[in-house]
Amino acid sequence: DTAVSQTPKYLVTQMGNDKSIKCEQNLGHDTMYWYKQDSKKFLKIMFSYNNKELIINETVPNRFSPKSPDKAHLNLHINSLELGDSAVYFCASSPPGQNIQYFGAGTRLSVL
Amino acid sequence: AQTVTQSQPEMSVQEAETVTLSCTYDTSESDYYLFWYKQPPSRQMILVIRQEAYKQQNATENRFSVNFQKAAKSFSLKISDSQLGDAAMYFCAYRRAGADGLTFGKGTHLIIQP
Repeated sequence: DTAVSQTPKYLVTQMGNDKSIKCEQNLGHDTMYWYKQDSKKFLKIMFSYNNKELIINETVPNRFSPKSPDKAHLNLHINSLELGDSAVYFCASSPPGQNIQYFGAGTRLSVL
Repeated sequence: AQTVTQSQPEMSVQEAETVTLSCTYDTSESDYYLFWYKQPPSRQMILVIRQEAYKQQNATENRFSVNFQKAAKSFSLKISDSQLGDAAMYFCAYRRAGADGLTFGKGTHLIIQP
């Protein structure tokens, strides 16, 4: 009964490949997010998304795109992977009117 | 743009002692929220405590409390009776009212000495 689940937990791939990370929340939340944590542990927002609005951090390359098939899912697609994309990616969600964000366990992406 | 600064990359404390982690932030907003998250080696992000900017009273959660100084834009975390399980990275985070994501500080690595 995990609240925010991400798959896979680990992802190892070659440069130039395209990959996806899946995120699902069973909390009924309206808003979901993707964060990137780099090798120095610095966490940065990539996207926030609800049914109506996608807010993109302007520093995110357009090789990254969120895809939401429904309210409970926000997947992250990454095209043409680069070495610098290696990081831990966290999905999170929050309910309307509240300011707590619930995080998934993270996906460690390693690009070789 | 909002920024969050944690000036202590690493802190060490003896078990059962008290430790304070510092955080300052910069914003022109009046309505916002502040958080402390804990990230143990398992890498799970765990919410420790949160503070609404409009509330003057400092938030408290068991052994964890904050000292929120709105005018000084300071939001420190005090951990009392430190336990070995408190060892982790601690991140201070800011969020303005609305659906924005969190802006994080660079984190403080807390070491608990037995």
